[in-house]
Amino acid sequence: GQNIDQPTEMTATEGAIVQINCTYQTSGFNGLFWYQQHAGEAPTFLSYNVLDGLEEKGRFSSFLSRSKGYSYLLLKELQMKDSASYLCAVMDSNYQLIWGAGTKLIIKP
Amino acid sequence: DAMVIQNPRYQVTQFGKPVTLSCSQTLNHNVMYWYQQKSSQAPKLLFHYYDKDFNNEADTPDNFQSRRPNTSFCFLDIRSPGLGDAAMYLCATSRDRGTGTDTQYFGPGTRLTVL
Repeated sequence: GQNIDQPTEMTATEGAIVQINCTYQTSGFNGLFWYQQHAGEAPTFLSYNVLDGLEEKGRFSSFLSRSKGYSYLLLKELQMKDSASYLCAVMDSNYQLIWGAGTKLIIKP
Repeated sequence: DAMVIQNPRYQVTQFGKPVTLSCSQTLNHNVMYWYQQKSSQAPKLLFHYYDKDFNNEADTPDNFQSRRPNTSFCFLDIRSPGLGDAAMYLCATSRDRGTGTDTQYFGPGTRLTVL
């Protein structure tokens, strides 16, 4: 079966750096997405990786290793507004998005 | 601004009473999706339209139907809502599917309560 694993919950301090990991086993691979979802709201697109390596976008970076079935989202200079769930999703060989259950990130002052 | 709009944001219905949720988009995207998401769970794809072609997920109950009368609008009909159908319903669009322009953009969601 297809599977996306990410930690259920993480806690970090305002101003610090946090890394949210995602591992996947899917039927084929056509890219990996990270979404941010605040409580009670819809997911918003953060990043897309299809090639190995690091993609940087402001305070957020996303890394992919296809050979290891592994990605991480790195958040720098954490702000209170970054408290949210972060969803990892992989597009399989049928261009179907397989979603993880999300990592709830709690930021403390 | 180009966007995905869902109405209503909150919907309350009674057990067994049909309900329709709507989604519209100004992005002119070819693909529209409906997801169901329950608390602390991953979004679950119910179906998607590629233009006018309807694609139902194998495990989507018959109780859920969809219509896409034109490029901009898509509707989710729940024929006989049960208590287990209470959830957030998310509409998303993507420019295409399977061509590298598959990023999905979500509307704000409709939270459905079944009494």
